Amino acid sequence: GAVVSQHPSWVICKSGTSVKIECRSLDFQATTMFWYRQFPKQSLMLMATSNEGSKATYEQGVEKDKFLINHASLTLSTLTVTSAHPEDSSFYICSASGGTGQGPLEQYFGPGTRLTVT
Amino acid sequence: EDQVTQSPEALRLQEGESSSLNCSYTVSGLRGLFWYRQDPGKGPEFLFTLYSAGEEKEKERLKATLTKKESFLHITAPKPEDSATYLCARPGGSQGNLIFGKGTKLSVKP
Repeated sequence: GAVVSQHPSWVICKSGTSVKIECRSLDFQATTMFWYRQFPKQSLMLMATSNEGSKATYEQGVEKDKFLINHASLTLSTLTVTSAHPEDSSFYICSASGGTGQGPLEQYFGPGTRLTVT
Repeated sequence: EDQVTQSPEALRLQEGESSSLNCSYTVSGLRGLFWYRQDPGKGPEFLFTLYSAGEEKEKERLKATLTKKESFLHITAPKPEDSATYLCARPGGSQGNLIFGKGTKLSVKP
């Protein structure tokens, strides 16, 4: 139980284009999903928190117009990187919480999406 | 600012050589301390949650313990497949996000 998937697992795009990353909770309903970013040899840094049916809450320094988050259902959240630039190249990881049987704050992570912007 | 600090940054062990990883935190009213394992190019894999000082949890060769100021991840007789980065985290904001330490990269040589 508590499986989270991400798609795609890796993507290469040209500078100026947009990329959409999907995060799905496969066997539970996720009331809250989180998007993190991880640069090489760094730890995970929270970008935003999304609750189903409401606007995402972005961390300080994260541009909400650049990183569009949609949490349309209890099993799907999407992150769209708009007008991507090389400095957006990173490892993007989503997590989800809210499944039955889980502790109140336990999060389960997707496998991550490697984004490379050329 | 509340911190989660892990040490050492890297740890090299021989197969069978037991050791411990440390995670210290500076926050009052801890609402949980989490341990994850992360393999290269993968998302973190949940290991343990500890909620109160004195609590211990075990899974195969791993045992996590918690005091009022720090947590330890004990690895008994590690195997090469235990090689990974181990992350600890504590709850951050009110919506349940996690604040991660920088991790300890464990390498176990056969």
